[in-house]
Amino acid sequence: EAGVAQSPRYKIIEKRQSVAFWCNPISGHATLYWYQQILGQGPKLLIQFQNNGVVDDSQLPKDRFSAERLKGVDSTLKIQPAKLEDSAVYLCATKSRSYEQYFGPGTRLTVT
Amino acid sequence: AQSVTQLDSHVSVSEGTPVLLRCNYSSSYSPSLFWYVQHPNKGLQLLLKYTSAATLVKGINGFEAEFKKSETSFHLTKPSAHMSDAAEYFCVVRGSNSGGSNYKLTFGKGTLLTVNP
Repeated sequence: EAGVAQSPRYKIIEKRQSVAFWCNPISGHATLYWYQQILGQGPKLLIQFQNNGVVDDSQLPKDRFSAERLKGVDSTLKIQPAKLEDSAVYLCATKSRSYEQYFGPGTRLTVT
Repeated sequence: AQSVTQLDSHVSVSEGTPVLLRCNYSSSYSPSLFWYVQHPNKGLQLLLKYTSAATLVKGINGFEAEFKKSETSFHLTKPSAHMSDAAEYFCVVRGSNSGGSNYKLTFGKGTLLTVNP
């Protein structure tokens, strides 16, 4: 079974630029999550989708972050404009009906 | 609301000696608890879970954890460390499906395990 795919794996941008991350879930997994993991901390949930609908985006900084999952499969997370404090690893995770979330390898973002 | 506290940010052991990674939790209901491992440049992997069945939980790679309600703890142990165990470990509590929590995972800050030859 293929795992959760994410791209790009690494991205370096300057502050005030825009960036987008892509996630392809495990086939059939209806629930998709985006997490932000700042260096030295545990992952923090940004947004949760159930199919193509948003379940929880209470921790998403909506003035600069946006996410979509138009067809209930792939998802993109965008930051516009980026700030220095957005430097982190962005993790995508998906799950089926069971409790276990399966994590992708993440995208490491550096904002300079 | 729920939270977890990992009591050590870094643990260093010698190969072949026991591993103990400590975790305390706070929850207003009977929690589900997990340990995840993160190797460098790899995704998080589930080690083991507690979901109100047996209090001693066995996971992959020889790890186990014991849920102690009286101490609000869920410490991770392994009898004998291997070099390949070197990684970051996260204790995680799962929210309920009420109040908009939607089974949300709350991660601790992580414990970096170093294994010395």
